Amino acid sequence: RKEVEQDPGPFNVPEGATVAFNCTYSNSASQSFFWYRQDCRKEPKLLMSVYSSGNEDGRFTAQLNRASQYISLLIRDSKLSDSATYLCVVIFYSGGYQKVTFGIGTKLQVIP
Amino acid sequence: EAGVTQSPTHLIKTRGQQATLRCSPISGHTSVYWYQQALGLGLQFLLWYDEGEERNRGNFPPRFSGRQFPNYSSELNVNALELEDSALYLCASSLEGRYYGYTFGSGTRLTVV
Repeated sequence: RKEVEQDPGPFNVPEGATVAFNCTYSNSASQSFFWYRQDCRKEPKLLMSVYSSGNEDGRFTAQLNRASQYISLLIRDSKLSDSATYLCVVIFYSGGYQKVTFGIGTKLQVIP
Repeated sequence: EAGVTQSPTHLIKTRGQQATLRCSPISGHTSVYWYQQALGLGLQFLLWYDEGEERNRGNFPPRFSGRQFPNYSSELNVNALELEDSALYLCASSLEGRYYGYTFGSGTRLTVV
């Protein structure tokens, strides 16, 4: 099993739709989680952290389900400008050592 | 505040040659991380430098190497280039080796022909 798994998509959704992506992780001791957005041929940019209680930033909501070992990203009222690849990141810390693992990314295409 | 800067933006090399990629971290950051993103693949961790020392390396052959200078800038060297080394190479930096959410540079796109 991969350490971090994402459905690569693409997810094709109409403008205004709500879309959700999941990212599963295998190490139950993982402690920190993030979502990044990567536009075509550009560097990934930090979108939001994922907190245990869930967090929201405008149309974006991130949630963590430790029991089932996945994080999710929900995008409401999709805009054309949301078209990008969304990468999840899972961090494991232990005694000064950290392991940062990126998912392969889920491609979102918002259609007019 | 200047972000992470990488150079060159694009690099074309022939198989067997050596490539040198450069990264300047955000001012005050001591750790530099290198990642490879090949087409269709996720970001693969290459190297982590902190305070001039290599702290960790990913599952890459020894022909991938680098160093960190006293001003915390870093260089990634790839020797004996192979076609499959063609990828986007990304650099990120952080304080004291802890992950706070990377800010990546815009990357160097290496093409090996």
